[in-house]
Amino acid sequence: EAGVTQSPTHLIKTRGQQATLRCSPISGHTSVYWYQQALGLGLQFLLWYDEGEERNRGNFPPRFSGRQFPNYSSELNVNALELEDSALYLCASIPARQTNTEAFFGQGTRLTVV
Amino acid sequence: LAKTTQPISMDSYEGQEVNITCSHNNIATNDYITWYQQFPSQGPRFIIQGYKTKVTNEVASLFIPADRKSSTLSLPRVSLSDTAVYYCLVGARVDNYGQNFVFGPGTRLSVLP
Repeated sequence: EAGVTQSPTHLIKTRGQQATLRCSPISGHTSVYWYQQALGLGLQFLLWYDEGEERNRGNFPPRFSGRQFPNYSSELNVNALELEDSALYLCASIPARQTNTEAFFGQGTRLTVV
Repeated sequence: LAKTTQPISMDSYEGQEVNITCSHNNIATNDYITWYQQFPSQGPRFIIQGYKTKVTNEVASLFIPADRKSSTLSLPRVSLSDTAVYYCLVGARVDNYGQNFVFGPGTRLSVLP
């Protein structure tokens, strides 16, 4: 069974540009979480999508947005990129509305803003 | 979501047993305790989960006292490859109000030769 896949693996953008990151959850999982992890720091919760809806977001500005498609894959968009947006962006999927379950992570997208 | 407190970092030597304790004073009755491991530039991966007493798998053991206000992840005979950040999560429960998989800063374990 395929795990969580993220694309691209690496992304280099210029300050002010927009970045689009993609995540495909494990088949049958309907919830997708996005995290930002700056170098040497912990995981910062960004967004949570479930059943196509944004359920919650972390303490990030509105230029961080996303969506979840009918097949439960998800996209994270970062507009007006800033240098401090450079980080590893991780996506995780969990089964639908299960309690005390395990989150499955992708390998991440390394975004570099120059 | 119950707040957790872990040591920021720990050092150990190869072959030693490492115990990482997590405090979660506000754990709810239905909450489980889950530990994740993260290597640099990779996503975290599940290590072990428990509710009470002791849980053991091929990777680690998890000790939970009767009051469940803390838990201890035990890594037997660590090797250099166990150098990673270890996260303790409590009550990773999904509900209508957005209880999320919110990770704390974790414990950075460095295994030395």
